[in-house]
Amino acid sequence: DTGVSQNPRHKITKRGQNVTFRCDPISEHNRLYWYRQTLGQGPEFLTYFQNEAQLEKSRLLSDRFSAERPKGSFSTLEIQRTEQGDSAMYLCASSLGRGGNRSGEKLFFGSGTQLSVL
Amino acid sequence: GQNIDQPTEMTATEGAIVQINCTYQTSGFNGLFWYQQHAGEAPTFLSYNVLDGLEEKGRFSSFLSRSKGYSYLLLKELQMKDSASYLCAHINDYKLSFGAGTTVTVRA
Repeated sequence: DTGVSQNPRHKITKRGQNVTFRCDPISEHNRLYWYRQTLGQGPEFLTYFQNEAQLEKSRLLSDRFSAERPKGSFSTLEIQRTEQGDSAMYLCASSLGRGGNRSGEKLFFGSGTQLSVL
Repeated sequence: GQNIDQPTEMTATEGAIVQINCTYQTSGFNGLFWYQQHAGEAPTFLSYNVLDGLEEKGRFSSFLSRSKGYSYLLLKELQMKDSASYLCAHINDYKLSFGAGTTVTVRA
Protein backbone atom coordinates (compact mmCIF):
# COMPACT_ATOMS: atom_id res chain seq x y z
CA ASP A 1 0.00 0.00 0.00
CA THR A 2 1.78 3.08 -1.25
CA GLY A 3 -1.00 5.48 -0.30
CA VAL A 4 -2.54 8.20 -2.44
CA SER A 5 0.10 9.94 -4.53
CA GLN A 6 -0.21 13.45 -5.93
CA ASN A 7 2.11 15.42 -8.12
CA PRO A 8 3.46 17.93 -8.35
CA ARG A 9 3.68 18.82 -4.66
CA HIS A 10 3.98 22.50 -5.50
CA LYS A 11 3.07 24.51 -8.58
CA ILE A 12 3.70 28.19 -9.14
CA THR A 13 2.13 29.70 -12.23
CA LYS A 14 1.24 33.04 -13.70
CA ARG A 15 -2.33 34.20 -13.98
CA GLY A 16 -3.91 33.04 -17.22
CA GLN A 17 -1.81 29.89 -17.58
CA ASN A 18 -3.22 26.36 -17.57
CA VAL A 19 -2.14 23.81 -14.97
CA THR A 20 -2.73 20.08 -14.60
CA PHE A 21 -2.42 17.97 -11.47
CA ARG A 22 -2.26 14.20 -11.22
CA CYS A 23 -3.56 11.85 -8.56
CA ASP A 24 -2.79 8.14 -8.23
CA PRO A 25 -5.23 6.57 -5.74
CA ILE A 26 -4.65 3.47 -3.66
CA SER A 27 -4.90 0.51 -6.02
CA GLU A 28 -8.31 -1.21 -6.02
CA HIS A 29 -10.00 1.92 -4.67
CA ASN A 30 -13.03 2.59 -6.83
CA ARG A 31 -13.89 6.04 -5.58
CA LEU A 32 -11.74 9.10 -6.14
CA TYR A 33 -12.38 12.60 -4.84
CA TRP A 34 -10.91 16.04 -5.43
CA TYR A 35 -11.05 18.63 -2.65
CA ARG A 36 -9.68 22.16 -2.36
CA GLN A 37 -8.36 23.61 0.90
CA THR A 38 -7.34 27.17 1.73
CA LEU A 39 -5.48 28.30 4.82
CA GLY A 40 -7.52 28.00 8.00
CA GLN A 41 -10.38 26.15 6.31
CA GLY A 42 -11.39 22.54 5.96
CA PRO A 43 -11.29 20.74 2.61
CA GLU A 44 -14.12 21.70 0.22
CA PHE A 45 -15.56 19.06 -2.08
CA LEU A 46 -14.95 19.63 -5.80
CA THR A 47 -15.80 16.43 -7.63
CA TYR A 48 -16.11 12.66 -7.29
CA PHE A 49 -15.55 9.59 -9.48
CA GLN A 50 -16.88 6.07 -9.15
CA ASN A 51 -14.44 4.15 -11.33
CA GLU A 52 -14.20 6.21 -14.54
CA ALA A 53 -17.58 7.92 -14.16
CA GLN A 54 -17.66 11.46 -12.79
CA LEU A 55 -20.81 11.38 -10.67
CA GLU A 56 -20.91 14.84 -9.13
CA LYS A 57 -19.32 18.25 -9.56
CA SER A 58 -19.59 20.98 -6.96
CA ARG A 59 -20.89 24.41 -7.86
CA LEU A 60 -17.41 25.56 -6.78
CA LEU A 61 -16.07 23.91 -9.92
CA SER A 62 -16.32 26.56 -12.61
CA ASP A 63 -16.11 25.85 -16.34
CA ARG A 64 -12.37 26.46 -16.14
CA PHE A 65 -11.96 23.30 -14.10
CA SER A 66 -12.10 19.83 -15.60
CA ALA A 67 -11.32 16.46 -14.09
CA GLU A 68 -10.90 13.09 -15.72
CA ARG A 69 -10.30 9.53 -14.68
CA PRO A 70 -9.95 7.84 -18.04
CA LYS A 71 -9.31 4.23 -17.05
CA GLY A 72 -10.73 4.30 -13.57
CA SER A 73 -7.27 4.45 -12.03
CA PHE A 74 -5.35 7.75 -11.91
CA SER A 75 -7.10 11.11 -12.25
CA THR A 76 -6.13 14.54 -13.54
CA LEU A 77 -7.49 17.94 -12.56
CA GLU A 78 -6.92 20.75 -15.05
CA ILE A 79 -7.45 24.43 -14.38
CA GLN A 80 -7.55 26.65 -17.43
CA ARG A 81 -6.82 30.40 -17.43
CA THR A 82 -5.82 30.34 -13.77
CA GLU A 83 -6.83 33.21 -11.50
CA GLN A 84 -5.28 34.34 -8.23
CA GLY A 85 -8.35 33.04 -6.41
CA ASP A 86 -7.45 29.52 -7.54
CA SER A 87 -4.44 29.55 -5.20
CA ALA A 88 -5.07 26.72 -2.73
CA MET A 89 -4.07 23.19 -1.77
CA TYR A 90 -5.73 20.66 -4.07
CA LEU A 91 -6.26 17.36 -2.27
CA CYS A 92 -7.09 14.02 -3.80
CA ALA A 93 -8.63 11.19 -1.79
CA SER A 94 -9.75 7.66 -2.52
CA SER A 95 -11.89 5.01 -0.89
CA LEU A 96 -12.77 1.39 -1.56
CA GLY A 97 -16.31 2.15 -2.71
CA ARG A 98 -17.72 -1.31 -2.05
CA GLY A 99 -20.25 -0.38 0.62
CA GLY A 100 -22.78 1.22 -1.63
CA ASN A 101 -23.65 4.89 -1.75
CA ARG A 102 -24.55 5.13 1.90
CA SER A 103 -21.49 3.56 3.46
CA GLY A 104 -19.26 5.32 5.92
CA GLU A 105 -16.06 4.37 4.18
CA LYS A 106 -13.10 6.41 5.24
CA LEU A 107 -11.26 8.51 2.73
CA PHE A 108 -7.50 8.27 2.37
CA PHE A 109 -5.96 11.59 1.37
CA GLY A 110 -2.86 12.41 -0.62
CA SER A 111 -0.43 15.12 0.50
CA GLY A 112 -1.92 17.56 -1.99
CA THR A 113 -0.67 19.94 -4.66
CA GLN A 114 -0.10 23.48 -3.43
CA LEU A 115 -0.98 25.90 -6.24
CA SER A 116 0.19 29.50 -6.18
CA VAL A 117 -1.09 31.80 -8.92
CA LEU A 118 0.93 35.00 -9.25
CA GLY B 1 -17.54 24.08 6.20
CA GLN B 2 -21.20 24.38 5.57
CA ASN B 3 -23.38 23.81 8.65
CA ILE B 4 -20.53 22.39 10.71
CA ASP B 5 -19.30 24.37 13.69
CA GLN B 6 -16.21 23.71 15.73
CA PRO B 7 -13.95 26.04 17.73
CA THR B 8 -11.15 27.70 15.82
CA GLU B 9 -8.36 27.17 18.34
CA MET B 10 -7.63 25.38 21.60
CA THR B 11 -4.50 25.30 23.74
CA ALA B 12 -3.63 22.69 26.35
CA THR B 13 -0.67 21.46 28.36
CA GLU B 14 1.26 18.27 27.69
CA GLY B 15 -0.34 15.37 29.57
CA ALA B 16 -3.71 17.08 29.86
CA ILE B 17 -7.08 16.27 28.26
CA VAL B 18 -8.77 18.34 25.58
CA GLN B 19 -12.32 17.99 24.21
CA ILE B 20 -13.13 19.38 20.77
CA ASN B 21 -16.84 19.91 20.17
CA CYS B 22 -18.56 19.81 16.80
CA THR B 23 -22.16 20.61 15.93
CA TYR B 24 -23.66 19.97 12.54
CA GLN B 25 -26.83 20.33 10.51
CA THR B 26 -27.52 18.12 7.55
CA SER B 27 -30.53 16.73 5.73
CA GLY B 28 -28.93 13.34 5.19
CA PHE B 29 -26.54 11.66 7.57
CA ASN B 30 -24.48 8.51 7.26
CA GLY B 31 -21.88 9.12 9.92
CA LEU B 32 -19.43 11.51 11.54
CA PHE B 33 -15.67 11.45 10.97
CA TRP B 34 -12.74 13.06 12.72
CA TYR B 35 -9.50 13.65 10.84
CA GLN B 36 -6.15 14.99 12.06
CA GLN B 37 -4.11 17.29 9.84
CA HIS B 38 -0.59 18.49 10.57
CA ALA B 39 0.48 21.68 8.82
CA GLY B 40 1.33 21.04 5.18
CA GLU B 41 0.30 17.39 5.35
CA ALA B 42 -2.67 15.26 4.30
CA PRO B 43 -5.63 14.76 6.65
CA THR B 44 -5.42 11.36 8.32
CA PHE B 45 -8.37 9.34 9.64
CA LEU B 46 -8.93 9.26 13.40
CA SER B 47 -12.46 7.99 14.02
CA TYR B 48 -15.90 7.26 12.61
CA ASN B 49 -19.24 7.24 14.48
CA VAL B 50 -22.51 6.25 12.91
CA LEU B 51 -24.45 5.26 16.06
CA ASP B 52 -24.91 7.29 19.23
CA GLY B 53 -22.35 6.80 21.92
CA LEU B 54 -18.66 6.76 22.63
CA GLU B 55 -15.99 5.06 20.52
CA GLU B 56 -12.63 4.68 22.25
CA LYS B 57 -9.34 4.14 20.47
CA GLY B 58 -6.33 4.43 22.70
CA ARG B 59 -5.76 8.05 23.71
CA PHE B 60 -8.49 9.29 21.36
CA SER B 61 -12.24 8.89 21.84
CA SER B 62 -15.15 10.20 19.82
CA PHE B 63 -18.76 10.68 20.85
CA LEU B 64 -21.89 11.15 18.76
CA SER B 65 -25.45 12.26 19.52
CA ARG B 66 -27.50 12.18 16.32
CA SER B 67 -30.59 13.74 17.89
CA LYS B 68 -28.55 16.76 19.00
CA GLY B 69 -26.37 16.97 15.89
CA TYR B 70 -23.35 16.91 18.18
CA SER B 71 -20.03 15.15 18.38
CA TYR B 72 -16.84 15.56 20.33
CA LEU B 73 -13.29 14.31 20.04
CA LEU B 74 -11.49 13.66 23.30
CA LEU B 75 -7.71 13.65 23.35
CA LYS B 76 -6.14 12.26 26.51
CA GLU B 77 -2.55 12.33 27.80
CA LEU B 78 -1.68 15.02 25.30
CA GLN B 79 1.69 14.83 23.60
CA MET B 80 3.55 17.54 21.70
CA LYS B 81 2.98 15.62 18.45
CA ASP B 82 -0.78 16.05 18.93
CA SER B 83 -0.42 19.72 17.96
CA ALA B 84 -2.43 19.78 14.72
CA SER B 85 -5.73 20.75 13.16
CA TYR B 86 -8.66 18.44 13.93
CA LEU B 87 -11.37 18.28 11.30
CA CYS B 88 -14.95 17.26 11.98
CA ALA B 89 -16.80 15.94 8.92
CA HIS B 90 -20.18 14.36 8.24
CA ILE B 91 -20.87 12.00 5.40
CA ASN B 92 -24.03 12.15 3.31
CA ASP B 93 -24.19 9.33 0.78
CA TYR B 94 -20.66 9.23 -0.60
CA LYS B 95 -19.58 12.81 0.12
CA LEU B 96 -17.63 14.06 3.14
CA SER B 97 -18.32 17.66 4.19
CA PHE B 98 -15.74 19.20 6.52
CA GLY B 99 -15.78 21.84 9.19
CA ALA B 100 -13.08 24.54 9.21
CA GLY B 101 -11.03 22.59 11.72
CA THR B 102 -9.82 23.23 15.27
CA THR B 103 -6.14 24.03 15.72
CA VAL B 104 -4.87 22.42 18.90
CA THR B 105 -1.61 23.68 20.36
CA VAL B 106 0.06 21.54 23.01
CA ARG B 107 2.43 23.42 25.33
CA ALA B 108 5.18 21.85 27.41
